[in-house]
Amino acid sequence: GESVGLHLPTLSVQEGDNSIINCAYSNSASDYFIWYKQESGKGPQFIIDIRSNMDKRQGQRVTVLLNKTVKHLSLQIAATQPGDSAVYFCAEIRAQNAGNMLTFGGGTRLMVKP
Amino acid sequence: DAEITQSPRHKITETGRQVTLACHQTWNHNNMFWYRQDLGHGLRLIHYSYGVQDTNKGEVSDGYSVSRSNTEDLPLTLESAASSQTSVYFCASSELYTDTQYFGPGTRLTVL
Repeated sequence: GESVGLHLPTLSVQEGDNSIINCAYSNSASDYFIWYKQESGKGPQFIIDIRSNMDKRQGQRVTVLLNKTVKHLSLQIAATQPGDSAVYFCAEIRAQNAGNMLTFGGGTRLMVKP
Repeated sequence: DAEITQSPRHKITETGRQVTLACHQTWNHNNMFWYRQDLGHGLRLIHYSYGVQDTNKGEVSDGYSVSRSNTEDLPLTLESAASSQTSVYFCASSELYTDTQYFGPGTRLTVL
């Protein structure tokens, strides 16, 4: 079946370096994507989103890139800090009635070395 | 501040018992969702609701039920708990016709 997945289960980076977390999706009908951050013992926290009519969206220290041709999106974190250590999930939205269904990837753990 | 809360945060129960996990949000969101999170599976949708008296089955609904009697609450009930239902459960909510879901802190359930 169609799914959302991640290339790397664990990413280790040096503090101050940039981080790139990748995600592949297979449902070409998906029109909205979200990146969530989940710290240990907490629920997923919204980071940034992007709609399928966009290629790039920037937030504070984060950028999401969407390549619809190869069904790939990435999360870039600039100047990674120890507080960025967490598991990052991408999720795709399939519009359905009044609410939208989230399908999550398996997650990538980001470890920031001091 | 508006928020979404879950209780209890930790629960240990025995096989065959009925368990109810509470979810309460003060954002006045129409949409509410229950997920379970297991290693190797990420987050999987159990049930969801688009408003009062509306409930729908998600990907892994067997053994679970929900009811929506008001906007703020969506309790999740395990009618007869099984060891396979040991997991971390997350509740989420979103506004009508919007996409971003906001998650609660989770409930860790252990079924012995």
